[in-house]
Amino acid sequence: NAGVMQNPRHLVRRRGQEARLRCSPMKGHSHVYWYRQLPEEGLKFMVYLQKENIIDESGMPKERFSAEFPKEGPSILRIQQVVRGDSAAYFCASSQRQSEIYEQYFGPGTRLTVT
Amino acid sequence: GEDVEQSLFLSVREGDSSVINCTYTDSSSTYLYWYKQEPGAGLQLLTYIFSNMDMKQDQRLTVLLNKKDKHLSLRIADTQTGDSAIYFCAENDSSSNTGKLIFGQGTTLQVKP
Repeated sequence: NAGVMQNPRHLVRRRGQEARLRCSPMKGHSHVYWYRQLPEEGLKFMVYLQKENIIDESGMPKERFSAEFPKEGPSILRIQQVVRGDSAAYFCASSQRQSEIYEQYFGPGTRLTVT
Repeated sequence: GEDVEQSLFLSVREGDSSVINCTYTDSSSTYLYWYKQEPGAGLQLLTYIFSNMDMKQDQRLTVLLNKKDKHLSLRIADTQTGDSAIYFCAENDSSSNTGKLIFGQGTTLQVKP
C-alpha cells in the first residue's frame, strides 16, 4: 500500500508565476489536509478537503491560494502569482477517519522556492 | 487561540535517554501526537495519546501526559544516532471537529556518538 504521494518534490517559480502542487492520498483515504511549513517553523494548517468538497479552509490565505480534491485524481493546491513569501514546504496528509482517531499520514512534501 | 510550545533544541549522547517537552493550551483536545521529521522528509507519526491517559509506552518511546498542567513529554530510551531529527508535538483542534492539527515549532534532537 503506497503512502501519500506528492509531486513535484521540488518546484522553482519566478515571482508572478503559478505553482501547482499535487497530492495523492493513501489508498482508501478520502480526507486530505494541506499544511505549510515556513523555514524554522512548525506546520500550519491550510485546508481540509473531502472528495469534491472543501470542508475547512480557515488557514488558507484569502487571495491567490485555492485547493481542490476532484472525484477522480489527486488533490491540487494552486498558488497564483507567487511571491517570495510563498517559499516554503507544503505537506499533504491523508486520513481514513473511521473512528475518532485523527490519524494523519503525511507525504514527503513539495519544497517551493520563489525566485 | 490554541497554541503548542516546544523547546527548540536538545543534544544528548548516544545511549542516553532523551526527553522532549511540549505544552499546549487547548484543554479539549482529545488526542496529542508526536511526529518525527528527518532532513528533507515528510512527517512520520511516532505515537499518539488519548487525553484521558497519563502514559503510553511503545518500545523505546514513552509518552507522559499531565493534563492539569497541559504538559506532554516524549522520552526516547537508549537514544541512537538514527533518532537525530526534528520532533513535533501536535494536538487536534477541538473547536473545529475536522481533525486538523496544531503543531509546535519542533525540537531538533542532536545525538552525539
